[in-house]
Amino acid sequence: AQSVTQLGSHVSVSEGALVLLRCNYSSSVPPYLFWYVQYPNQGLQLLLKYTSAATLVKGINGFEAEFKKSETSFHLTKPSAHMSDAAEYFCAVTGGYQKVTFGTGTKLQVIP
Amino acid sequence: NAGVTQTPKFQVLKTGQSMTLQCAQDMNHNSMYWYRQDPGMGLRLIYYSASEGTTDKGEVPNGYNVSRLNKREFSLRLESAAPSQTSVYFCASRQVDRGGNQPQHFGDGTRLSIL
Repeated sequence: AQSVTQLGSHVSVSEGALVLLRCNYSSSVPPYLFWYVQYPNQGLQLLLKYTSAATLVKGINGFEAEFKKSETSFHLTKPSAHMSDAAEYFCAVTGGYQKVTFGTGTKLQVIP
Repeated sequence: NAGVTQTPKFQVLKTGQSMTLQCAQDMNHNSMYWYRQDPGMGLRLIYYSASEGTTDKGEVPNGYNVSRLNKREFSLRLESAAPSQTSVYFCASRQVDRGGNQPQHFGDGTRLSIL
């Protein structure tokens, strides 16, 4: 069984401030973890993925995430928010099987 | 370089009508998925297909049927639409090998309203 919990359905940050979006997972096998971004009226795009090669994963647009097994977490961060980062972000987990389970999403608002 | 293509992009139906949502991918992926997205609920898996000729139920399959027509195409059918099926539907594809660590590629969605 696998599940994902994203804390905070809405997060607001000032432009230039740190972005931190939280994701905790549950998996009965070693997980593969993904972060996706969704802009309005579009599909989901991959930001980054964790596949056990390295615990700190760098993605596109300056985002990165750190896999912490002891905390079962995979939080997404970006040092300095940009207006173009405003979107909805989804964390997802798979145990290497067919099914991929998504969190309920976090909408990021960037305040100028 | 189309990726995953969904048609139509928008549709309005009346309760009880039927329709088929089409999805095609050009990446030669073996696995395809149908999700629905509703506010505050993330993406919920309706059906998936691990390979041509196979389909399996996901989290919310009631009221839907699917067909994996060939490796490229995976369609979703609503036989008798209900207002509760008003949603945004996404198709995704993915290559699932022994590692199982490949991401999904998504279409732009079909926005379906049922009156």
